[in-house]
Amino acid sequence: QQKVQQSPESLIVPEGAMTSLNCTFSDSASQYFAWYRQHSGKAPKALMSIFSNGEKEEGRFTIHLNKASLHFSLHIRDSQPSDSALYLCAVSLSSGSWQLIFGSGTQLTVMP
Amino acid sequence: EAGVTQSPRYAVLQEGQAVSFWCDPISGHDTLYWYQQPRDQGPQLLVYFRDEAVIDNSQLPSDRFSAVRPKGTNSTLKIQSAKQGDTATYLCASSSDWGIQDTQYFGPGTRLLVL
Repeated sequence: QQKVQQSPESLIVPEGAMTSLNCTFSDSASQYFAWYRQHSGKAPKALMSIFSNGEKEEGRFTIHLNKASLHFSLHIRDSQPSDSALYLCAVSLSSGSWQLIFGSGTQLTVMP
Repeated sequence: EAGVTQSPRYAVLQEGQAVSFWCDPISGHDTLYWYQQPRDQGPQLLVYFRDEAVIDNSQLPSDRFSAVRPKGTNSTLKIQSAKQGDTATYLCASSSDWGIQDTQYFGPGTRLLVL
């Protein structure tokens, strides 16, 4: 069964720093990889997603996927206090079903 | 465009009581998901529907949990005889375009506390 793990569990960075969040998965045939952000007491909201190996940049956010190493990451440039939230990575099963398996999250705090 | 709505927002029960959660997905979204999110963990899929049909309910504790989506729009998740271990936030999400991987849009959730 697909296992999705995130690291670190929590992270504190100063405002303006580059933040890197990591996600590993166990099924090499996985096809879809996404990051969601959840502010305290709010609904998870999709940030970015990627299907194929490589990088994708949207504003201050970059997602990087390496299927061979079963790893993808989210990088936040110029981190802001408003970026403080729980970051969840998610991977789709490879069976053709469109279920998402979520990691347990990284709690990010950006200090002003 | 209205987002996914859920009610109630909070529920507090004694063990053994029943509770129902209601979800109204984004209009036109044919796929609806129910997740359980324990405190400090990621969402865990319980069941999902395409229109009114259950696609996968293998993670639903079937002896006490049930979910329906009778007209392919709104959905209800019910817990019979709640246990303390059911304490969590219950999230509903919806997506469109069955057959491709599409973004899931989440509702605000229902926070359940079982005493």
